[in-house]
Amino acid sequence: NAGVMQNPRHLVRRRGQEARLRCSPMKGHSHVYWYRQLPEEGLKFMVYLQKENIIDESGMPKERFSAEFPKEGPSILRIQQVVRGDSAAYFCASSPGLAGSDTQYFGPGTRLTVL
Amino acid sequence: AQSVTQLDSQVPVFEEAPVELRCNYSSSVSVYLFWYVQYPNQGLQLLLKYLSGSTLVKGINGFEAEFNKSQTSFHLRKPSVHISDTAEYFCAVSAYGGTSYGKLTFGQGTILTVHP
Repeated sequence: NAGVMQNPRHLVRRRGQEARLRCSPMKGHSHVYWYRQLPEEGLKFMVYLQKENIIDESGMPKERFSAEFPKEGPSILRIQQVVRGDSAAYFCASSPGLAGSDTQYFGPGTRLTVL
Repeated sequence: AQSVTQLDSQVPVFEEAPVELRCNYSSSVSVYLFWYVQYPNQGLQLLLKYLSGSTLVKGINGFEAEFNKSQTSFHLRKPSVHISDTAEYFCAVSAYGGTSYGKLTFGQGTILTVHP
């Protein structure tokens, strides 16, 4: 059973460009979480999605950031017009359920560098 | 809302010595507690979690943690560390029930460095 897949592993963008980060959850998991890890900080929750639905986006910046989890295909985190402050590691996690007791399985992350 | 404080940002120890990584949390509701480990340039791996029952939880790689409700702590321990335990360790909580779903609130992380 393959783990959570994320690609690309490393992404370099110039200021003003768009970044698209992909996450394929573990087989059988329909719950996806995105977290951001800024340098010298812990992970911060961004958004929680189920198939075709955004359930909680309270941790996501209101502008430039969006997320989706279509019926088919991976979950996408999209950052428009990137700025240097967006440089971070972005982790996706999937779980079999939405309960707080359910273990979240993390992908290897995408490290975004904005030049 | 929940918050997690990891009291030590870095912990250096010698191989085969015991180690304790400290974690305190604050929450207005009951929580589940987790410890994750992150090796360089990798994702997070679950070490152990406390849901209910016995306050002493055993995890992978010889780690264990004890939940102390009165002190709102969940410290991680290992009696004898190996070089391979060098990594960053994160304490996290998720709310029990309500509309917080399963989202995790993390501490700032503790870098454990094991020296030969």
